[in-house]
Amino acid sequence: GAGVSQSPRYKVTKRGQDVALRCDPISGHVSLYWYRQALGQGPEFLTYFNYEAQQDKSGLPNDRFSAERPEGSISTLTIQRTEQRDSAMYRCASSSSGRGDTQYFGPGTRLTVL
Amino acid sequence: ELKVEQNPLFLSMQEGKNYTIYCNYSTTSDRLYWYRQDPGKSLESLFVLLSNGAVKQEGRLMASLDTKARLSTLHITAAVHDLSATYYCAVERGGRDDKIIFGKGTRLHILP
Repeated sequence: GAGVSQSPRYKVTKRGQDVALRCDPISGHVSLYWYRQALGQGPEFLTYFNYEAQQDKSGLPNDRFSAERPEGSISTLTIQRTEQRDSAMYRCASSSSGRGDTQYFGPGTRLTVL
Repeated sequence: ELKVEQNPLFLSMQEGKNYTIYCNYSTTSDRLYWYRQDPGKSLESLFVLLSNGAVKQEGRLMASLDTKARLSTLHITAAVHDLSATYYCAVERGGRDDKIIFGKGTRLHILP
């Protein structure tokens, strides 16, 4: 594809349910990043991958959040037992080679937890 | 802990004027990014600054980096309405830690 895609674009779920958010990076991009953005705020780093290896997960808020990128391409961010405070825009970005490289952001997934 | 501070957070200015947005950060880093975000849209990369003294320009926007002062600036020359957006700087921590910290953003409104 021409850019980073994310699905679903909108997700409404009930508190306590698990959700899985998908990111499809630009083909051939080595690095993939997950961010969370609250309304009116800057993006908050969650985690990132080089190929299939998770390099830094220090931004994940707690152990209900996890991410994987098993084949070094598509990534899934999973939130277990969702809470209302998890409601936000979740954004994915990819870059060709990681450090110091331009990041291309996807359109985001708007998560609403009722 | 790396902190990134932008100022001003809000800026309303007339077309044709010049202005500068400042980005200060708290720990050593030599990788700094500037992004633009339009309302309801995703983020668009503007500049990647990778060394002390780096300067990059695109149209009416120019970004610079002073790693010794831990300061980056985004200068707007002869502003036009189309530049109205929120501008973010982001800093990548050095060493083995690649966490990227964003500032709170500068919401820029340019009056026609």
